[in-house]
Amino acid sequence: AQKITQTQPGMFVQEKEAVTLDCTYDTSDPSYGLFWYKQPSSGEMIFLIYQGSYDQQNATEGRYSLNFQKARKSANLVISASQLGDSAMYFCAMGMNSGYSTLTFGKGTMLLVSP
Amino acid sequence: ETGVTQTPRHLVMGMTNKKSLKCEQHLGHNAMYWYKQSAKKPLELMFVYSLEERVENNSVPSRFSPECPNSSHLFLHLHTLQPEDSALYLCASSQIGDYNNEQFFGPGTRLTVL
Repeated sequence: AQKITQTQPGMFVQEKEAVTLDCTYDTSDPSYGLFWYKQPSSGEMIFLIYQGSYDQQNATEGRYSLNFQKARKSANLVISASQLGDSAMYFCAMGMNSGYSTLTFGKGTMLLVSP
Repeated sequence: ETGVTQTPRHLVMGMTNKKSLKCEQHLGHNAMYWYKQSAKKPLELMFVYSLEERVENNSVPSRFSPECPNSSHLFLHLHTLQPEDSALYLCASSQIGDYNNEQFFGPGTRLTVL
């Protein structure tokens, strides 16, 4: 069984600063993928970034980067130069890399960006 | 329309009502999913359809009945719900075989059961 743990219920950051959202995972499968989604108050889950278990380099997508430490089973999201529009819930999720993929989600972290 | 759409966006129903949630994906995907998001709980997978066949049913009560008439449409039929079923219901789709199996989500239907 897969498990995702997000230990930060809420995080505060000032505009233009960087912030790290923590995520640890547990699985016995060797092939898996890790996702981060953003959920604004409107409800839609917005895909941010993906890291495959066999990827050698940490994933980056614009201001988002994933600090993947396989031995520690952690996949932290780093948001650089925070913007007011980054205020939202952030979910870490894990899925398998074959066939259809059922995602296991963490409880999420609420990020608030202040001016 | 692009991406994944869901209707209605908001629904209030009594415990004796019958209603349906609709999801449509315009991405040419071949797998579709229903998730339930309750307050302060992680998203819970309810159903998975792969190539229009139900492949997972995660111990969901029979008062929730999914239907997938074709690869673009997914319904969730609701019957004699309970107040604890009030939640945000999210639909998602993905393409089996894509390198990362990314799921694309709709905006959700916020359901309130009185």
